Amino acid sequence: QKEVEQDPGPLSVPEGAIVSLNCTYSNSAFQYFMWYRQYSRKGPELLMYTYSSGNKEDGRFTAQVDKSSKYISLFIRDSQPSDSATYLCAMSAGYQKVTFGTGTKLQVIP
Amino acid sequence: NAGVMQNPRHLVRRRGQEARLRCSPMKGHSHVYWYRQLPEEGLKFMVYLQKENIIDESGMPKERFSAEFPKEGPSILRIQQVVRGDSAAYFCASSPSQGVLTEAFFGQGTRLTVV
Repeated sequence: QKEVEQDPGPLSVPEGAIVSLNCTYSNSAFQYFMWYRQYSRKGPELLMYTYSSGNKEDGRFTAQVDKSSKYISLFIRDSQPSDSATYLCAMSAGYQKVTFGTGTKLQVIP
Repeated sequence: NAGVMQNPRHLVRRRGQEARLRCSPMKGHSHVYWYRQLPEEGLKFMVYLQKENIIDESGMPKERFSAEFPKEGPSILRIQQVVRGDSAAYFCASSPSQGVLTEAFFGQGTRLTVV
């Protein structure tokens, strides 16, 4: 079993839809939870991060962490074609070594 | 302020040759991380360096791979005697201080193809 599990997709949604992206994990020591966006042939770009449990909102993006279920989510409201990318979840126990999910490919159809 | 610069962007090597990948961190950043991304897989941690020191190389294969971050100049990831399985995208990230990647920025990556 992988330490971090993420559905690879692809996920296709119409423009304006609410997108839900999720990851599960097995390591109880994880404290930092991050979401990255990666456009094709580009480097990952940090979107949001959360420390421990709870929610965090930034514009159209909301990150949620449920440590009791070992489950994290990223919600994108009013999705735009420019949101089409691969979304990577990432987690860390507080050290420099970060464990990434395999990424979910999202396509927002105009 | 330029971002993290990686070069070359694309590198083709024949089996058995050496590959050298360079990473110039952002100005003011003294911490560098190298990750490898295989097709359909997430990024895998390889090594974490500070200037002139390797802090954590637990993700790097024991043979053929080495990394350095000298006092002057870019960080170098070196792969000797490359094999087809080394074909991947290699990303580096830099941060201004020790810690998780929440303060780090990634470069555009070097795509290594071994033929």
